[in-house]
Amino acid sequence: DTGVSQNPRHKITKRGQNVTFRCDPISEHNRLYWYRQTLGQGPEFLTYFQNEAQLEKSRLLSDRFSAERPKGSFSTLEIQRTEQGDSAMYLCASSSTGSTNEKLFFGSGTQLSVL
Amino acid sequence: AQTVTQSQPEMSVQEAETVTLSCTYDTSESNYYLFWYKQPPSRQMILVIRQEAYKQQNATENRFSVNFQKAAKSFSLKISDSQLGDTAMYFCAFMGNDMRFGAGTRLTVKP
Repeated sequence: DTGVSQNPRHKITKRGQNVTFRCDPISEHNRLYWYRQTLGQGPEFLTYFQNEAQLEKSRLLSDRFSAERPKGSFSTLEIQRTEQGDSAMYLCASSSTGSTNEKLFFGSGTQLSVL
Repeated sequence: AQTVTQSQPEMSVQEAETVTLSCTYDTSESNYYLFWYKQPPSRQMILVIRQEAYKQQNATENRFSVNFQKAAKSFSLKISDSQLGDTAMYFCAFMGNDMRFGAGTRLTVKP
């Protein structure tokens, strides 16, 4: 069990550029979540997948955000035409539904800074 | 959608004393789980304690325990014998069809 892995750890980009983040969940976990967190606030739900299916997407998520989990394993989160307001920590988490001890395991996050 | 409310933005406690963090939630689901997560300055989310809604017995993990009141939709966290390492942000979370977090309580343990 290597835990949830997120890459990159930090990303600095210029406004208007596109960025893509990757999340590798714990291998046997079928659920994968993306959250956004700004300093001093709680994680804000963005979207989640069960296997390769995207089951829910936050209404707060603009059309500039898209997430995929093509083979039900790793996931990518892309932000197009970044804005300064996109600067935040992007957290990925995974879980195994149906287990008797279901809980979320978090990665270390990707810190995005939009200049 | 579920909502999770933490009404205490900041709290402090003296080392070795007991502190209780509050959390309320709103849901129409009957089967769900509740969690407390800790986030130290490293920003890594660490699970503190977990409660299944169908269990009446309150969960405990060493110095951490919860007071789960299902009818009142309340889920408070009690930290006994507070330690300096308990200083962190604490988030209450609800897991039903998806998982939602409260805004957090910043806890400071003073020597």
